[in-house]
Amino acid sequence: GQNIDQPTEMTATEGAIVQINCTYQTSGFNGLFWYQQHAGEAPTFLSYNVLDGLEEKGRFSSFLSRSKGYSYLLLKELQMKDSASYLCAVSDSNYQLIWGAGTKLIIKP
Amino acid sequence: GAVVSQHPSRVICKSGTSVKIECRSLDFQATTMFWYRQFPKQSLMLMATSNEGSKATYEQGVEKDKFLINHASLTLSTLTVTSAHPEDSSFYICSAGRPGTDYNEQFFGPGTRLTVL
Repeated sequence: GQNIDQPTEMTATEGAIVQINCTYQTSGFNGLFWYQQHAGEAPTFLSYNVLDGLEEKGRFSSFLSRSKGYSYLLLKELQMKDSASYLCAVSDSNYQLIWGAGTKLIIKP
Repeated sequence: GAVVSQHPSRVICKSGTSVKIECRSLDFQATTMFWYRQFPKQSLMLMATSNEGSKATYEQGVEKDKFLINHASLTLSTLTVTSAHPEDSSFYICSAGRPGTDYNEQFFGPGTRLTVL
C-alpha cells in the first residue's frame, strides 16, 4: 500500500530552527509537496521537490532523497505565525496526491 | 496567480437536507478538480476527482449517490451532499489542477465548513 509518515506534533521556540521529516512509500513518484495549513483554513503551497537535493526559499527549505524515500522541511528564524500544520504529499505514478496526516507545529515565545 | 474560490464558506443545515458547495477557478481553466474532506485533527482525504464533461471518479468508500459531483464547465465544479447527517459534518476543500504547470500543482479553495445538526 501507499504510506506517508510524518510526526504528529512538534514544538519549537520562536527564532529557532525546526526540521519536519517525512518518509514515504508510494507506487511511483512524481514529486513531493509541502503545504502549510492554518487551523480552519485550506492548505497553501510551500514547496515542491522532484530531484534529490535541497530547495531553498527564504526561511523555508525542503530536501528530498528519492533513494531513501525521505524528505524534510526546514524552517528557520521561526515566527509565531509559523504555528500551523505542515502536510507532506507525494504525487504518485498517476499524479494523484497521497497525503500525510500532517505535523502540527507549535511555536512558543 | 491561480485563484480558486469556494462558496459557501460555512453552512449549517438540518439533518436530511441537501447542501451544494461550489468550487470555481477564477483566473484559469481547470480540466480537473479534486474534492477533499478533512475531519478535525486529520489529514486531507480525497473524496473524488472531477473531470470536466465526464463522470467523477470516486475514491473507495465514498458514496457516489450521496456526494454528487458535477463538473459542467472548465471553471466550475459542484459537490452536493444529499440527505446530510451529523456524521457528514466536516471541512470540505476543493482544489484545481492548472494545465501547463510544471509539477501538476493543485490550487486549493478556502474550504467549506459544513455542520449538520
